[in-house]
Amino acid sequence: ETGVTQTPRHLVMGMTNKKSLKCEQHLGHNAMYWYKQSAKKPLELMFVYSLEERVENNSVPSRFSPECPNSSHLFLHLHTLQPEDSALYLCASSPQGTGNTEAFFGQGTRLTVV
Amino acid sequence: GNSVTQMEGPVTLSEEAFLTINCTYTATGYPSLFWYVQYPGEGLQLLLKATKADDKGSNKGFEATYRKETTSFHLEKGSVQVSDSAVYFCALSGLRETSGSRLTFGEGTQLTVNP
Repeated sequence: ETGVTQTPRHLVMGMTNKKSLKCEQHLGHNAMYWYKQSAKKPLELMFVYSLEERVENNSVPSRFSPECPNSSHLFLHLHTLQPEDSALYLCASSPQGTGNTEAFFGQGTRLTVV
Repeated sequence: GNSVTQMEGPVTLSEEAFLTINCTYTATGYPSLFWYVQYPGEGLQLLLKATKADDKGSNKGFEATYRKETTSFHLEKGSVQVSDSAVYFCALSGLRETSGSRLTFGEGTQLTVNP
């Protein structure tokens, strides 16, 4: 049990579908993140939320839309995705205000766009 | 900007062999350094960390020492087991005083240990 739970674990969606990924953390952290892990590429930081405000968006296409309704929950809304968006999407959390600590990761959602 | 360079894989070893996975970094200031491990079908788990120069992180028989003079954080284990087969990621976290931790990852090194 990592303290960070992601659902669903696997998702297959068509390019015209709309779906959402969910992340929940029970660690009392105030910063949450979405990372994308593609084959043969380094992990890419997509979004950073601190105290429920988006503080970083690393040039992510608008077909990915994050939402952080409270410090324990983070969503990634997906629409009109492309096959190249197929990847493992990882959520993470960390204490806010302490930049030199580790992040705690969920198990990821394996997304396949067909 | 920050960057992490890891030894290219894949690495294949026999059980009980000695493991080294090299990691070097580029960063301003004094970052914290981490090794994460990813088992098949799983997310990333923190393996060990070091937050200042000359610190040694250790866990489950793995060790890494924060070497500022060589900007390195090489991962070592004296005797690997089949259960150590996984992908290993070196990462650093820059100092951000207000907005949590941002990790910069290396590309990962696939380790396979054969019986």
